[in-house]
Amino acid sequence: GENVEQHPSTLSVQEGDSAVIKCTYSDSASNYFPWYKQELGKRPQLIIDIRSNVGEKKDQRIAVTLNKTAKHFSLHITETQPEDSAVYFCAALRGSGGGADGLTFGKGTHLIIQP
Amino acid sequence: NAGVTQTPKFQVLKTGQSMTLQCAQDMNHNSMYWYRQDPGMGLRLIYYSASEGTTDKGEVPNGYNVSRLNKREFSLRLESAAPSQTSVYFCASETRVGEKLFFGSGTQLSVL
Repeated sequence: GENVEQHPSTLSVQEGDSAVIKCTYSDSASNYFPWYKQELGKRPQLIIDIRSNVGEKKDQRIAVTLNKTAKHFSLHITETQPEDSAVYFCAALRGSGGGADGLTFGKGTHLIIQP
Repeated sequence: NAGVTQTPKFQVLKTGQSMTLQCAQDMNHNSMYWYRQDPGMGLRLIYYSASEGTTDKGEVPNGYNVSRLNKREFSLRLESAAPSQTSVYFCASETRVGEKLFFGSGTQLSVL
């Protein structure tokens, strides 16, 4: 099955600086890569996603890049703000001829924004 | 619209007891999932139902069973609870596999 590695497990940045979270996946058949944000005590929520036919996608202060050859993808947050403090999860979906198996998540990155 | 509704929000069981976690969605989604979340382990897939009438095992299915009762409802059953099943359980749904996942608010389960 798919295996997703996520780094770092904890990331502390100064407010206004940029944050980068990196993930690698194992299955070259994976074709969908979403990122979820989970605030303390809340449910995970999708913040951005990218499909394997695209190399980069941006939505205001967040962007995701995908390198299919190297099998890694990254989340970039610019001009970080206190409300960006949360746990971020990357995920990968293995598409197959008979249907996909459900998302495989990374173990999460706790992003801390220092004032 | 309520989205994805899970019950109960909290539950304490003794080892060996059984219980069913309920999940319902009102978004006419085809695919539904059960995940467990443990500290430092991320979200791990227990079972999923890609469409009404089908269910499949995920990464950690042992000790669990599921029922896709109809298009709206997907329940998770623990037949004989064990302390290793202490976790936060999330139900989720999406229009179809590979789309945006909507999560329920979670069930915090403790097995003593």
